[in-house]
Amino acid sequence: DIQLTQSPSFLSASVGDRVTITCRASQGISSYLAWYQQKPGKAPKLLIHAAFTLQSGVPSRFSGSGSGTEFTLTISSLQPEDFATYYCQELNSYVWTFGQGTKVDSK
Amino acid sequence: QLQLQESGPGLVKPSDTLSLTCTVSGGSVSSGDYYWGWIRQPPGKGLEWIGNIYYSGNTYYNPSLKSRVTISVDTSQNLFSLKVDSVIAADTAVYYCARSYVGAPDGFDIWGQGTRVTVSS
Repeated sequence: DIQLTQSPSFLSASVGDRVTITCRASQGISSYLAWYQQKPGKAPKLLIHAAFTLQSGVPSRFSGSGSGTEFTLTISSLQPEDFATYYCQELNSYVWTFGQGTKVDSK
Repeated sequence: QLQLQESGPGLVKPSDTLSLTCTVSGGSVSSGDYYWGWIRQPPGKGLEWIGNIYYSGNTYYNPSLKSRVTISVDTSQNLFSLKVDSVIAADTAVYYCARSYVGAPDGFDIWGQGTRVTVSS
Protein backbone atom coordinates (compact mmCIF):
# COMPACT_ATOMS: atom_id res chain seq x y z
CA ASP A 1 0.00 0.00 0.00
CA ILE A 2 1.10 3.56 -0.67
CA GLN A 3 1.82 5.71 2.37
CA LEU A 4 1.59 9.50 2.34
CA THR A 5 3.58 11.64 4.76
CA GLN A 6 2.73 15.30 5.15
CA SER A 7 5.06 17.87 6.64
CA PRO A 8 4.81 19.73 8.80
CA SER A 9 1.98 18.32 10.90
CA PHE A 10 1.40 21.76 12.47
CA LEU A 11 2.20 25.18 11.13
CA SER A 12 1.75 28.58 12.77
CA ALA A 13 1.50 31.48 10.35
CA SER A 14 0.23 35.03 10.02
CA VAL A 15 -2.14 36.61 7.53
CA GLY A 16 -0.17 37.48 4.41
CA ASP A 17 2.43 34.73 4.90
CA ARG A 18 3.40 32.35 2.14
CA VAL A 19 2.66 28.83 3.34
CA THR A 20 3.99 25.58 1.87
CA ILE A 21 2.91 22.07 2.82
CA THR A 22 4.69 18.97 1.52
CA CYS A 23 3.24 15.55 0.81
CA ARG A 24 5.58 12.63 0.13
CA ALA A 25 4.43 9.31 -1.29
CA SER A 26 6.15 6.01 -0.47
CA GLN A 27 6.19 5.16 -4.17
CA GLY A 28 5.58 7.02 -7.40
CA ILE A 29 2.01 8.09 -8.05
CA SER A 30 2.51 10.17 -11.20
CA SER A 31 0.23 13.19 -10.75
CA TYR A 32 -2.62 11.34 -9.06
CA LEU A 33 -2.77 13.58 -6.02
CA ALA A 34 -5.48 15.80 -4.57
CA TRP A 35 -5.45 18.40 -1.81
CA TYR A 36 -8.32 19.20 0.56
CA GLN A 37 -9.08 21.88 3.12
CA GLN A 38 -11.12 21.01 6.20
CA LYS A 39 -12.52 23.40 8.78
CA PRO A 40 -13.82 22.21 12.19
CA GLY A 41 -17.18 20.48 12.00
CA LYS A 42 -17.26 20.61 8.20
CA ALA A 43 -16.71 18.16 5.38
CA PRO A 44 -13.42 18.47 3.50
CA LYS A 45 -13.34 20.70 0.43
CA LEU A 46 -11.44 19.72 -2.70
CA LEU A 47 -8.87 22.38 -3.56
CA ILE A 48 -6.58 20.82 -6.15
CA HIS A 49 -6.68 17.65 -8.23
CA ALA A 50 -4.21 16.02 -10.58
CA ALA A 51 -1.44 17.57 -8.45
CA PHE A 52 -1.77 21.11 -9.81
CA THR A 53 -5.27 21.66 -11.27
CA LEU A 54 -7.26 24.17 -9.25
CA GLN A 55 -10.81 23.05 -8.53
CA SER A 56 -13.47 25.44 -9.85
CA GLY A 57 -14.15 28.30 -7.45
CA VAL A 58 -10.95 27.89 -5.43
CA PRO A 59 -8.96 31.15 -5.05
CA SER A 60 -5.85 31.47 -7.16
CA ARG A 61 -3.66 31.98 -4.06
CA PHE A 62 -3.77 28.18 -3.75
CA SER A 63 -1.44 26.24 -6.01
CA GLY A 64 -0.10 22.71 -6.25
CA SER A 65 3.01 21.24 -7.76
CA GLY A 66 5.00 18.04 -7.98
CA SER A 67 4.83 14.59 -9.47
CA GLY A 68 6.11 11.13 -8.68
CA THR A 69 6.74 11.07 -4.94
CA GLU A 70 6.95 14.69 -3.81
CA PHE A 71 4.19 17.26 -3.92
CA THR A 72 3.56 20.70 -2.46
CA LEU A 73 0.54 22.83 -1.68
CA THR A 74 1.30 26.54 -1.55
CA ILE A 75 -0.85 29.38 -0.28
CA SER A 76 0.76 32.51 -1.70
CA SER A 77 -0.72 34.95 0.82
CA LEU A 78 -2.54 33.41 3.75
CA GLN A 79 -6.00 34.84 4.38
CA PRO A 80 -8.02 34.62 7.62
CA GLU A 81 -10.35 32.04 6.10
CA ASP A 82 -7.41 29.77 5.25
CA PHE A 83 -6.75 28.70 8.84
CA ALA A 84 -7.75 25.05 8.62
CA THR A 85 -6.38 21.53 8.29
CA TYR A 86 -5.10 20.40 4.90
CA TYR A 87 -4.93 16.82 3.61
CA CYS A 88 -3.35 15.25 0.56
CA GLN A 89 -4.84 12.13 -1.04
CA GLU A 90 -3.33 9.74 -3.56
CA LEU A 91 -5.51 8.21 -6.28
CA ASN A 92 -2.90 6.20 -8.17
CA SER A 93 -4.71 2.88 -8.17
CA TYR A 94 -8.04 1.51 -7.00
CA VAL A 95 -6.97 1.80 -3.34
CA TRP A 96 -6.70 5.38 -2.11
CA THR A 97 -4.93 6.93 0.90
CA PHE A 98 -5.00 10.24 2.75
CA GLY A 99 -2.07 11.95 4.36
CA GLN A 100 -2.23 12.53 8.11
CA GLY A 101 -3.04 16.23 7.75
CA THR A 102 -1.39 19.59 8.37
CA LYS A 103 -3.06 22.04 10.72
CA VAL A 104 -2.46 25.70 9.90
CA ASP A 105 -3.19 27.99 12.80
CA SER A 106 -2.64 31.61 13.68
CA LYS A 107 0.75 32.68 15.01
CA GLN B 1 -26.56 20.73 -8.09
CA LEU B 2 -25.89 17.21 -6.87
CA GLN B 3 -26.18 16.69 -3.13
CA LEU B 4 -25.33 13.76 -0.87
CA GLN B 5 -26.97 13.00 2.47
CA GLU B 6 -25.83 10.36 4.93
CA SER B 7 -28.32 8.68 7.24
CA GLY B 8 -28.27 5.94 9.83
CA PRO B 9 -28.15 5.27 13.56
CA GLY B 10 -25.89 7.45 15.64
CA LEU B 11 -25.22 4.76 18.22
CA VAL B 12 -24.17 1.17 17.56
CA LYS B 13 -23.32 -1.51 20.12
CA PRO B 14 -19.95 -3.25 20.04
CA SER B 15 -19.96 -6.41 17.86
CA ASP B 16 -23.05 -5.20 15.99
CA THR B 17 -23.21 -4.08 12.34
CA LEU B 18 -23.02 -0.40 11.45
CA SER B 19 -25.29 0.45 8.51
CA LEU B 20 -25.33 3.81 6.74
CA THR B 21 -27.01 5.08 3.61
CA CYS B 22 -26.04 7.92 1.28
CA THR B 23 -28.95 9.35 -0.71
CA VAL B 24 -28.07 11.09 -3.97
CA SER B 25 -30.24 14.04 -5.07
CA GLY B 26 -29.91 16.32 -8.08
CA GLY B 27 -28.08 13.60 -9.98
CA SER B 28 -27.95 9.87 -10.58
CA VAL B 29 -25.91 7.18 -8.85
CA SER B 30 -26.19 5.31 -12.16
CA SER B 31 -23.89 7.78 -13.87
CA GLY B 32 -20.94 5.96 -15.37
CA ASP B 33 -18.76 9.02 -14.78
CA TYR B 34 -18.31 8.67 -11.02
CA TYR B 35 -17.18 6.53 -8.14
CA TRP B 36 -19.21 6.81 -4.96
CA GLY B 37 -17.14 6.60 -1.82
CA TRP B 38 -17.14 6.41 1.95
CA ILE B 39 -14.60 8.16 4.17
CA ARG B 40 -14.48 8.35 7.95
CA GLN B 41 -12.82 10.55 10.55
CA PRO B 42 -12.40 9.45 14.19
CA PRO B 43 -12.73 12.22 16.77
CA GLY B 44 -9.72 14.55 16.62
CA LYS B 45 -8.01 12.46 13.94
CA GLY B 46 -7.46 12.49 10.19
CA LEU B 47 -9.39 11.17 7.23
CA GLU B 48 -9.53 7.46 6.40
CA TRP B 49 -10.71 6.23 3.01
CA ILE B 50 -13.06 3.25 3.47
CA GLY B 51 -13.90 2.33 -0.10
CA ASN B 52 -15.58 3.16 -3.41
CA ILE B 53 -18.31 1.66 -5.54
CA TYR B 54 -19.12 2.09 -9.21
CA TYR B 55 -22.72 2.01 -10.45
CA SER B 56 -22.10 -1.45 -11.91
CA GLY B 57 -21.42 -2.74 -8.41
CA ASN B 58 -17.62 -2.96 -8.68
CA THR B 59 -16.14 -2.21 -5.28
CA TYR B 60 -12.72 -1.15 -4.01
CA TYR B 61 -11.87 -1.29 -0.31
CA ASN B 62 -9.23 -0.12 2.13
CA PRO B 63 -7.21 -3.31 2.81
CA SER B 64 -7.22 -2.59 6.54
CA LEU B 65 -11.05 -2.68 6.61
CA LYS B 66 -11.84 -5.03 3.74
CA SER B 67 -12.72 -8.04 5.89
CA ARG B 68 -15.48 -6.12 7.73
CA VAL B 69 -16.80 -3.65 5.14
CA THR B 70 -19.43 -3.96 2.40
CA ILE B 71 -20.44 -1.13 0.08
CA SER B 72 -23.47 -1.58 -2.15
CA VAL B 73 -25.48 0.52 -4.59
CA ASP B 74 -29.23 0.67 -5.18
CA THR B 75 -29.85 2.36 -8.52
CA SER B 76 -33.64 2.09 -8.14
CA GLN B 77 -33.55 4.24 -5.00
CA ASN B 78 -30.60 6.36 -6.12
CA LEU B 79 -28.46 5.60 -3.08
CA PHE B 80 -25.44 3.68 -1.94
CA SER B 81 -24.77 2.07 1.41
CA LEU B 82 -22.04 1.09 3.85
CA LYS B 83 -21.99 -1.81 6.28
CA VAL B 84 -19.25 -2.39 8.83
CA ASP B 85 -19.45 -5.70 10.67
CA SER B 86 -18.34 -6.51 14.22
CA VAL B 87 -17.80 -2.88 15.18
CA ILE B 88 -15.47 -1.85 17.98
CA ALA B 89 -14.87 1.45 19.75
CA ALA B 90 -12.25 2.39 17.17
CA ASP B 91 -15.03 2.53 14.54
CA THR B 92 -16.44 5.59 16.31
CA ALA B 93 -16.15 8.39 13.75
CA VAL B 94 -17.88 10.87 11.52
CA TYR B 95 -18.72 9.00 8.33
CA TYR B 96 -18.85 10.88 5.04
CA CYS B 97 -20.09 9.82 1.62
CA ALA B 98 -18.61 11.52 -1.43
CA ARG B 99 -18.31 11.48 -5.23
CA SER B 100 -15.20 11.17 -7.40
CA TYR B 101 -14.87 11.47 -11.16
CA VAL B 102 -13.79 8.20 -12.76
CA GLY B 103 -12.09 9.40 -15.92
CA ALA B 104 -8.85 10.57 -14.35
CA PRO B 105 -9.30 10.10 -10.61
CA ASP B 106 -9.72 13.67 -9.49
CA GLY B 107 -10.52 13.38 -5.81
CA PHE B 108 -13.84 13.71 -4.05
CA ASP B 109 -15.46 16.88 -5.35
CA ILE B 110 -18.83 16.59 -3.60
CA TRP B 111 -19.28 15.45 0.00
CA GLY B 112 -22.18 14.83 2.31
CA GLN B 113 -22.31 16.75 5.57
CA GLY B 114 -21.23 13.68 7.53
CA THR B 115 -22.95 11.61 10.18
CA ARG B 116 -21.51 10.88 13.59
CA VAL B 117 -21.51 7.24 14.70
CA THR B 118 -20.59 6.20 18.22
CA VAL B 119 -19.83 2.59 19.12
CA SER B 120 -20.77 2.04 22.73
CA SER B 121 -22.82 -0.29 24.87
